[in-house]
Amino acid sequence: TQLLEQSPQFLSIQEGENLTVYCNSSSVFSSLQWYRQEPGEGPVLLVTVVTGGEVKKLKRLTFQFGDARKDSSLHITAAQPGDTGLYLCAGARYGQNFVFGPGTRLSVLP
Amino acid sequence: KAGVTQTPRYLIKTRGQQVTLSCSPISGHRSVSWYQQTPGQGLQFLFEYFSETQRNKGNFPGRFSGRQFSNSRSEMNVSTLELGDSALYLCASSTWVETDTQYFGPGTRLTVL
Repeated sequence: TQLLEQSPQFLSIQEGENLTVYCNSSSVFSSLQWYRQEPGEGPVLLVTVVTGGEVKKLKRLTFQFGDARKDSSLHITAAQPGDTGLYLCAGARYGQNFVFGPGTRLSVLP
Repeated sequence: KAGVTQTPRYLIKTRGQQVTLSCSPISGHRSVSWYQQTPGQGLQFLFEYFSETQRNKGNFPGRFSGRQFSNSRSEMNVSTLELGDSALYLCASSTWVETDTQYFGPGTRLTVL
């Protein structure tokens, strides 16, 4: 059983479209991270959210942490081919190992 | 600050051999975690070391082991390699304060023939 679920698993959209990826859990996390990973490379950190209800914006990417700190969403506005990759969410629990979702594989077609 | 470095980047071994992978964390980071990533299983947690002590361990057989040195550099070892050990092995470091974040290295691609 995955501690963190992500949906959708796969997403293929046209350049310019908007999309939202979800990360859900029944556990409470002290913080949650989003990463993007290219094939054969390590995940690259996009953002860390800490406070319940927190919203962070990174250019066209908007991240939200749920009020109860159990879930998060990533919204991309006007997606570009450079946004293509595997998006991973990870939850931190102090003194315990980080837990990762299975990832959402995004393909943005030109 | 330099990022997390992993060596080697690519490795080819045959079944039954053993392998040692190395990870140098970001300066000042005392926690190092190791993950195995395969297309079918995603990112699987192997173990975490903090100040030279293994603090958490994932559900992997005893053939997978690791250690951390006083300078926080870490190594992981896989003995008696099996075909199924072919994967991208990722190392991540963090400082582990209450609201912390892991930073990943580029990974070591291990192929077992």
